[in-house]
Amino acid sequence: DGGITQSPKYLFRKEGQNVTLSCEQNLNHDAMYWYRQDPGQGLRLIYYSQIVNDFQKGDIAEGYSVSREKKESFPLTVTSAQKNPTAFYLCASSILTQPQHFGDGTRLSIL
Amino acid sequence: DQQVKQNSPSLSVQEGRISILNCDYTNSMFDYFLWYKKYPAEGPTFLISISSIKDKNEDGRFTVFLNKSAKHLSLHIVPSQPGDSAVYFCAAKTYNQGGKLIFGQGTELSVKP
Repeated sequence: DGGITQSPKYLFRKEGQNVTLSCEQNLNHDAMYWYRQDPGQGLRLIYYSQIVNDFQKGDIAEGYSVSREKKESFPLTVTSAQKNPTAFYLCASSILTQPQHFGDGTRLSIL
Repeated sequence: DQQVKQNSPSLSVQEGRISILNCDYTNSMFDYFLWYKKYPAEGPTFLISISSIKDKNEDGRFTVFLNKSAKHLSLHIVPSQPGDSAVYFCAAKTYNQGGKLIFGQGTELSVKP
């Protein structure tokens, strides 16, 4: 059954710690994306990757890092430099000419 | 700079009536527009899209209208059903930005029985 898997669904982090959110897809999509959603706001693009071993900053990349070593995987690291990391994080993938498919998200909270 | 705006945070409609969700944009380079539907604690799911060369696209109960001169698009749901209750996001992209989407803030639709 093809799709996008984000794990974990809920994640707690102590202040000053880095944390990595997982995103895996088996749709054979070239492009992958990370978004952040805050209450009452739309989705804001953090990073995106159109091909393996290449990625670009989105609108709010500060305090985040990514890697794209495999086509199927696009992990997002929330670093201690991110001042307000509590949010709902969404991963998506697509063939460039087609609508993006989204995972079910990871909710990150600071302890 | 909010390039895509949904000015109504919420909308309440009676079951069986029409729901109209609105979206405005500022970037005239946008050439493709999409609507996504999102339930709480889930990812958005694609609903319907429209290219800038068209002014209307229909899929069952869902129709999207595009008015390029006004930089405005709308999603019509007829008839509305309680299962349509969700947050609806409009999104836009330009041909030279790959798959990068710009999202509006979302409108929460509540369809009452």
